[in-house]
Amino acid sequence: GESVGLHLPTLSVQEGDNSIINCAYSNSASDYFIWYKQESGKGPQFIIDIRSNMDKRQGQRVTVLLNKTVKHLSLQIAATQPGDSAVYFCAENMRRGSQGNLIFGKGTKLSVKP
Amino acid sequence: EPEVTQTPSHQVTQMGQEVILRCVPISNHLYFYWYRQILGQKVEFLVSFYNNEISEKSEIFDDQFSVERPDGSNFTLKIRSTKLEDSAMYFCASSAPGATLMADTQYFGPGTRLTVL
Repeated sequence: GESVGLHLPTLSVQEGDNSIINCAYSNSASDYFIWYKQESGKGPQFIIDIRSNMDKRQGQRVTVLLNKTVKHLSLQIAATQPGDSAVYFCAENMRRGSQGNLIFGKGTKLSVKP
Repeated sequence: EPEVTQTPSHQVTQMGQEVILRCVPISNHLYFYWYRQILGQKVEFLVSFYNNEISEKSEIFDDQFSVERPDGSNFTLKIRSTKLEDSAMYFCASSAPGATLMADTQYFGPGTRLTVL
């Protein structure tokens, strides 16, 4: 079946460096994509989202890029900090214009070395 | 900042017992969800709820599961007869109707860890 997946299960970066976390999705009908951060013992925390009619969206220190041609989503974190250490999930929502369930990827663990 | 809350944080139960997991969604949100995450695995959708009825459910959400909004603030997940494989983190989420471009954003609670012995 169609699913959201991640290219890298773990990523280790030096504090201050930029991080890039990747995600592949297979459902071309997906309309909405979200990145969540999950710290140990906590629930998924919303980071940033993007709709399928956009290629790029920027937040504070984070940027999400969407390449619909190759069905690829990435999360860029600028000047990575120790507090960014967590598991990052991408998720997709296939419902256009209405609420729908999220399909999560497996997650990438980001470790930031001081 | 408004947030989704869940109680209890940890629930231990015997196999075959009923459990009720409780959630208080963000107050102006109208859509409610339950997800679960088995240890070390990805988050999986269980059910969505809107206007006092289930709008969508997954294959996981079988007859032993039910949801209810008993009053204006709480949203509950009941597991009627727990099985060992029900052990997981259960997350509640809520979202608002479409007032902005990104209105589908689902905000998650901290989760309830359910352990079935």
